[in-house]
Amino acid sequence: KAGVTQTPRYLIKTRGQQVTLSCSPISGHRSVSWYQQTPGQGLQFLFEYFSETQRNKGNFPGRFSGRQFSNSRSEMNVSTLELGDSALYLCTSSLVISYEQYFGPGTRLTVT
Amino acid sequence: DAKTTQPTSMDCAEGRAANLPCNHSTISGNEYVYWYRQIHSQGPQYIIHGLKNNETNEMASLIITEDRKSSTLILPHATLRDTAVYYCIVRSPNSGNTPLVFGKGTRLSVIA
Repeated sequence: KAGVTQTPRYLIKTRGQQVTLSCSPISGHRSVSWYQQTPGQGLQFLFEYFSETQRNKGNFPGRFSGRQFSNSRSEMNVSTLELGDSALYLCTSSLVISYEQYFGPGTRLTVT
Repeated sequence: DAKTTQPTSMDCAEGRAANLPCNHSTISGNEYVYWYRQIHSQGPQYIIHGLKNNETNEMASLIITEDRKSSTLILPHATLRDTAVYYCIVRSPNSGNTPLVFGKGTRLSVIA
């Protein structure tokens, strides 16, 4: 079956702009999490959604937000972009309570 | 903070077994040991997980010490495509989808 898909794969934005990233989980998976990966901080948890509800949130400013739709697809939004938001944004897909989380290929965001 | 300690880097000759150690001395009774790897510029890939018994799948074997304070991931016949950063993570799946907390991992280089 198809894996986790993320769109777009690459994105270039300017400081102050906002951006929306999309994640489609594996069919039947209802939990989606988002992670940010930077060379300095490594992989860091952003938030997790299940049944359109945010269940868990990492330590990121309020400029980072997300949502999940009834079909389990998820979007994350970053407003007022800063240079430090340049990163690889990864989403994961899993069953409700799962031993395994499956990562998507990521969206590479560059802020100039 | 990550609850695991791994060597920063390791080399392995192609065709030989790669043994990647991980220390998790503060692991609690309901936490599993997970291994993921990340090939350059791709999303992390789940490899294997275990609680206290040794585990084997088509990708690797996981050996967990009796006191559960450390473990070793074994790639039995490493190939050049196994060159990646390997992450050892401890996590309990029993309380919902708790986030994966990534450390810096071990950069494995498989050499021809």
